[in-house]
Formats: sequence, structure tokens, C-alpha cells
Amino acid sequence: EDQVTQSPEALRPQEGESSSLNCSYTVSGLRGLFWYRQDPGKGPEFLFTLYSAGEEKEKERLKATLTKKESFLHITAPKPEDSATYLCAVFSGGYNKLIFGAGTRLAVHP
Amino acid sequence: DADVTQTPRNRITKTGKRIMLECSQTKGHDRMYWYRQDPGLGLRLIYYSFDVKDINKGEISDGYSVSRQAQAKFSLSLESAIPNQTALYFCATSELGQGASTDTQYFGPGTRLTVL
Repeated sequence: EDQVTQSPEALRPQEGESSSLNCSYTVSGLRGLFWYRQDPGKGPEFLFTLYSAGEEKEKERLKATLTKKESFLHITAPKPEDSATYLCAVFSGGYNKLIFGAGTRLAVHP
Repeated sequence: DADVTQTPRNRITKTGKRIMLECSQTKGHDRMYWYRQDPGLGLRLIYYSFDVKDINKGEISDGYSVSRQAQAKFSLSLESAIPNQTALYFCATSELGQGASTDTQYFGPGTRLTVL
């Protein structure tokens, strides 16, 4: 069964303390792995798509990497405005749909 | 203006009432989706539509129905609301195509539904 697991559930770094969020997946026919940011009371905002193992993408303080079994979202020197829930999803070619993890809540303290 | 809009943004209703949630988009995308989000469970797919004449059930469609009135409009109905349908509901859109790049979904702001 296709599955996405995110860890940890919550992270509370100090401002400037770099952190990594993990997304482990099992999927039949991976067509893409997606990272979204979700602020309280808002819809998920698209960040990155990764298509193949070894691929990396960056946006400001965020860097996403992909292996055959997991993806990491690295946040370098986070600021309080990076506080949000980060969602990982995989597109299953077998089921032709996105499968989401439960998310990691990031709270950056000044 | 937002590309994907949802109405209402908040709704409180009673058990047994019929509720309709509406989604409109100006992105020009053919594919539209309805998800619900519950704490600790992530987003789960309720229904999806690849064009006006195509409607498909997702993993949790029981108790819900949908209508695709036009390319830009996709409505979700709860025929007889029950308390365990209390959740955040999101509409999403994506482009039509075969390539992996068209799999990216763009979400609306959500509707918070409470069923008493």
C-alpha cells in the first residue's frame, strides 16, 4: 500500500538553528514528490517538486533532497516567519493520485 | 485576486442538514479535487474531476457528492451532515496533461465546517 510518513511531528528550533524534516515513502511508480507549506487557517502552498533520486531544489532558506526511499527538507538558519506546517506528498503512478503525509509543525523561536 | 477561491470560508451546521461547499478557479486548469483535512491524518481525497464530464471517487467519498458545473466550478455536497464530517475542506486544481509537471496541485484557502 502506498504510504507517506513524516517525522518529527513537531520541531521547535531557535532562530538560526538549522533543522531537517524527513519524509519517508513507499509508492508504486513514483512520479514526483511534492513539498507544501501550510500556515494556520490557510491552504497548502506549493514549494517544490522532486522527480528522481539525487535531485535537489532550493528556495531561499529551504533545500529539498530526494533519495529512493525518502526526502529531506533542510531549513538553514530559520527565521520566525518560517514557522508553519510542512506537508510532503507523493504522486502514485499506480493510483494516479497524490498521497499526503500528516505534516511536520515547525515553530521557530526568536 | 486568488486563483482558487472557496465559499463559504466557515460554516456551522446541524446534524442532518444538507450543505454545499463551492470552489471556483481562474487558473484555467481542467482538473479539480476536493480534500478533507483532519488533525494528525493529513489530506485525504474525497472526489476528483478531470473535466466537466468526468467525476471520480476518492478514498473517502461516502456521505459526499460533487457537481462539476463548468471548467472553473466544482461543488461538494454533504447530503445529510454528521458530526464526524467536521473538518477543513480544501479544493485544488491541476493542469491537464501526461507529464509529471502537470501533477502539481494548487490549493484554495479552505472551508472550516463544523457539524453539531
